[in-house]
Amino acid sequence: AQSVTQLDSQVPVFEEAPVELRCNYSSSVSVYLFWYVQYPNQGLQLLLKYLSGSTLVKGINGFEAEFNKSQTSFHLRKPSVHISDTAEYFCAVSDPGDSGGYQKVTFGTGTKLQVIP
Amino acid sequence: NAGVTQTPKFQVLKTGQSMTLQCAQDMNHNSMYWYRQDPGMGLRLIYYSASEGTTDKGEVPNGYNVSRLNKREFSLRLESAAPSQTSVYFCASRLLAGAGGELFFGEGSRLTVL
Repeated sequence: AQSVTQLDSQVPVFEEAPVELRCNYSSSVSVYLFWYVQYPNQGLQLLLKYLSGSTLVKGINGFEAEFNKSQTSFHLRKPSVHISDTAEYFCAVSDPGDSGGYQKVTFGTGTKLQVIP
Repeated sequence: NAGVTQTPKFQVLKTGQSMTLQCAQDMNHNSMYWYRQDPGMGLRLIYYSASEGTTDKGEVPNGYNVSRLNKREFSLRLESAAPSQTSVYFCASRLLAGAGGELFFGEGSRLTVL
């Protein structure tokens, strides 16, 4: 069974400061990893994903994440945050699944990023 | 570019009442999903439809039924609502059931059961 842990439920950070949102996963097989963002009163949208290849993945809005297989982590980073980054961020894991079969996606509990002016 | 559209956006029910949440996507996606979001619990899968004509249970299917009406539409029905079903419900779609594809979400339906 796969699982995702986001230990930080809330992260306050000053505007223009760097931020790291932590995500750890467990799975018995190789995985695909995702970060989604949810702005207030909206649905989730994809920030970035790791399927294979380079372990450093760049996404939208200046975010990036690094896949670390030995530490089973996929932390999200941004060097300088803006007020508009205030949102909830969800890490998700998925196993490749059977060929043509359903690929289960498991979400973490979310981290609320609060950017302070 | 509508993407995934959910109706209604807000609903208040009394215990025991029934209702249907509607979802439609215009991206020609094969797979569709219903999640519920509760504080501190992330998103949990209720039901999914990997392709038109098929539906399967997710993690928390009890108290719900679904219908994949056609390729575009996937509805979620609560036959006898309970306060434990107070939640925000999200419909999502994906081009294929597998292959690491991105999930596209609707804006959510906020349901309160009194």
